[in-house]
Amino acid sequence: SQKIEQNSEALNIQEGKTATLTCNYTNYSPAYLQWYRQDPGRGPVFLLLIRENEKEKRKERLKVTFDTTLKQSLFHITASQPADSATYLCAALDTGFQKLVFGTGTRLLVSP
Amino acid sequence: EPEVTQTPSHQVTQMGQEVILRCVPISNHLYFYWYRQILGQKVEFLVSFYNNEISEKSEIFDDQFSVERPDGSNFTLKIRSTKLEDSAMYFCASRGVGATEAFFGQGTRLTVV
Repeated sequence: SQKIEQNSEALNIQEGKTATLTCNYTNYSPAYLQWYRQDPGRGPVFLLLIRENEKEKRKERLKVTFDTTLKQSLFHITASQPADSATYLCAALDTGFQKLVFGTGTRLLVSP
Repeated sequence: EPEVTQTPSHQVTQMGQEVILRCVPISNHLYFYWYRQILGQKVEFLVSFYNNEISEKSEIFDDQFSVERPDGSNFTLKIRSTKLEDSAMYFCASRGVGATEAFFGQGTRLTVV
């Protein structure tokens, strides 16, 4: 079955450092990968999307890469801030756009 | 900024009772979705809806579940006879034509006792 896997352990980093989160997929060839932020008790909020034919996408302090050979996406937050502390979800979307398949998410904690 | 709104924010119901979760998608969006998230687990797809019919549904979305767009603004999820394992956060989402980004509501926390 289609699987999206993220590191379930929390990532703790210091303010100002770059956070790097990993998303791996198996039994799947998604046309798009999306990254969402989720705060406790809230709905996911869209951050970035990358297409299968794109290697890298940037938006302000965020950067996403997509390696179809490794079946992996990396999500980077540069110059991290305590306000970036949240759970980050990777989600795969096929060309039919019918559904998002989410990973379990990785919790990021940025300490001052 | 337009947003997806869900009501109620929290619903407590007895096992076997029917519940209706309500959503108002973003006004010019035509694709609608329900997802659920059991506490501590991942967000799971339930159903997608377009042009007044279900486009795709997951194994979770069995005969106990139904969706409806009763008017031009609301999108509802009904669970006919709730079970304890239906306790979860239910998220509604909507997407515009030609867009890949889905907008999620704040969720309804359903607790079945």
